[in-house]
Amino acid sequence: RKEVEQDPGPFNVPEGATVAFNCTYSNSASQSFFWYRQDCRKEPKLLMSVYSSGNEDGRFTAQLNRASQYISLLIRDSKLSDSATYLCVAGGGGYNKLIFGAGTRLAVHP
Amino acid sequence: GAVVSQHPSRVICKSGTSVKIECRSLDFQATTMFWYRQFPKQSLMLMATSNEGSKATYEQGVEKDKFLINHASLTLSTLTVTSAHPEDSSFYICSARGQITDTQYFGPGTRLTVL
Repeated sequence: RKEVEQDPGPFNVPEGATVAFNCTYSNSASQSFFWYRQDCRKEPKLLMSVYSSGNEDGRFTAQLNRASQYISLLIRDSKLSDSATYLCVAGGGGYNKLIFGAGTRLAVHP
Repeated sequence: GAVVSQHPSRVICKSGTSVKIECRSLDFQATTMFWYRQFPKQSLMLMATSNEGSKATYEQGVEKDKFLINHASLTLSTLTVTSAHPEDSSFYICSARGQITDTQYFGPGTRLTVL
């Protein structure tokens, strides 16, 4: 079983749609969680950290459920520029290394 | 925000040669740097973690004699792929973590092609 699992997608949505991504992690000792965005052939860029209380950054809302070991990302009012692969990341363990999911691909169309 | 650079961005080399990749944190001191590898359509896989002034910690299955890591200063880490083979062709990405936050900032990556 992978340490961080995500639905690979792709999610094809029209502009303006709301889309949600889910992710599960297996290491109950993980203490930090993030969503990264990766464009094709580029490095990952931090989208947002995920806190237990849930957090919002503009059109993006992240939720964490420690009991279920589940993380989510909600994107409202999708833009064409949101098209990318979204990586769910769990941190923890020695040196706070990050474990990446394989990513969920989002394609927003006009 | 924190900036991490990587050099070179792209390298093509012959089988058997060694390739050195540099990772620099430009505007902060990176106590820890991480090296990842990503094959097409796959996830980033952590190869090793390096702390300034100490030996790198390699993930299971990563040969430390093949992938030499040096973290000589708080702003520079290098990865040397020794005796590269075509199966080493991949996207190598470094990240750096500062002294205060857990956040890792990624370099732009180095695309290695071994012929």
